[in-house]
Amino acid sequence: QVQLVQSGAEVKKPGASVKVSCKASGYTFTTYGIHWLRQAPGQRLEWMGWINTDKGSTKFSEKFQGRVTVTGDTSASTVYMELSSLRSEDTAVYYCAKDRRSSTSYYADFDHWGQGTLVTVSS
Amino acid sequence: DIVMTQSPDSLAVSLGERATINCKSSQNLLYSSNNNNYLSWYQHKPGQPPKLLIYWASTRESGVPERFSGSGSGTDFSLTISSLQDEDVAVYYCQQHYSIPLTFGGGTKVEIK
Repeated sequence: QVQLVQSGAEVKKPGASVKVSCKASGYTFTTYGIHWLRQAPGQRLEWMGWINTDKGSTKFSEKFQGRVTVTGDTSASTVYMELSSLRSEDTAVYYCAKDRRSSTSYYADFDHWGQGTLVTVSS
Repeated sequence: DIVMTQSPDSLAVSLGERATINCKSSQNLLYSSNNNNYLSWYQHKPGQPPKLLIYWASTRESGVPERFSGSGSGTDFSLTISSLQDEDVAVYYCQQHYSIPLTFGGGTKVEIK
């Protein structure tokens, strides 16, 4: 069965970076894109960006452009999301999610999600 | 950005009764070349990731009970739970994937009356 397993909770200080991993199993990794989303306390779900797991190309929300990096390791079926220059407003649960349809388009909805990774930014 | 507005914010319904959630987008989500509405619905329970219920506005995801149905086109959409069960207590979100950034509604909390 399809599974996305994320790395564990993190506590970071303002200005630091965090890197969250997402290991996929149960399907051909390069067939579907992986997206990153987050949900801050009391806020709606927010899309951060996407990686084409076959080609490695990426697309990000303008809100996070320049501050987020997403990379993939096809040999490990794993995607990594790194967010830099952290501030308190980045405290949130971060999710990776699998594209329902393809690897080639970021206009996606999501049929499988990771369990979520809580990132807390606090001095 | 496309703004997704859900109503109501919360809803209390008796067991076995109907629950209807509305979602309005600030722009058209119907892609004319394939006649698909780029609108999906998710169920989100505490401590769990969101679960896809409906895609293309009205197609039920595999394994989703038939009591869940989606309708609407263009800018106005609805999710209906025909007969509310205990396990349906959750927050429900709509999501558009017509344009970047992908955006979600603010959520509707469904509870048992």
